[in-house]
Amino acid sequence: QQPVQSPQAVILREGEDAVINCSSSKALYSVHWYRQKHGEAPVFLMILLKGGEQMRHEKISASFNEKKQQSSLYLTASQLSYSGTYFCGTEHDNNRKLIWGLGTSLAVNP
Amino acid sequence: DGGITQSPKYLFRKEGQNVTLSCEQNLNHDAMYWYRQDPGQGLRLIYYSQIVNDFQKGDIAEGYSVSREKKESFPLTVTSAQKNPTAFYLCASSSRTPRLSASYGYTFGSGTRLTVV
Repeated sequence: QQPVQSPQAVILREGEDAVINCSSSKALYSVHWYRQKHGEAPVFLMILLKGGEQMRHEKISASFNEKKQQSSLYLTASQLSYSGTYFCGTEHDNNRKLIWGLGTSLAVNP
Repeated sequence: DGGITQSPKYLFRKEGQNVTLSCEQNLNHDAMYWYRQDPGQGLRLIYYSQIVNDFQKGDIAEGYSVSREKKESFPLTVTSAQKNPTAFYLCASSSRTPRLSASYGYTFGSGTRLTVV
């Protein structure tokens, strides 16, 4: 039931692009994306609702494929500040309870 | 500014002792959550509450207790029954979207790092 994130880790040079995927075995109600820096709390990036449109947050965008039960996070022209662990959280009904993936570690180097 | 305040930031617990972690929000959010995070792990749900005076167990509720007497407050007690309490504890809150009753993005507190000594 826990969503599967891939890849587990990514290393980029500043300016490169990356894609992080979040797949679920159950039908999705919504998908949340968060970024957590070491020793800090996760910070909300965006939410994708069933039937909703692709979302953007600065140079980060995300898509939601209901048929594949999958969401993808696109990081374009990465900046050093993008480094951290990215988590997806999925809702499968209206019980307001997110199920979290194990995270994708992203390191952006100069 | 609105937000969630967790205290203390660091907490040391002796064996057999109960400790309470504080979580207060002024965002007027109806739902509040407690998570535990171990190194290299994701977030595991301990308890959550969607309205005052009501809460549900999460995936790892054993050894923990909560109360929700006020909308703004959701304290977590780590009891002596929790045999491995050393972890990073995060409190979060959310409101509900008008459509589909899904949750808006969670707002997290800055966390409490609990260590057993």
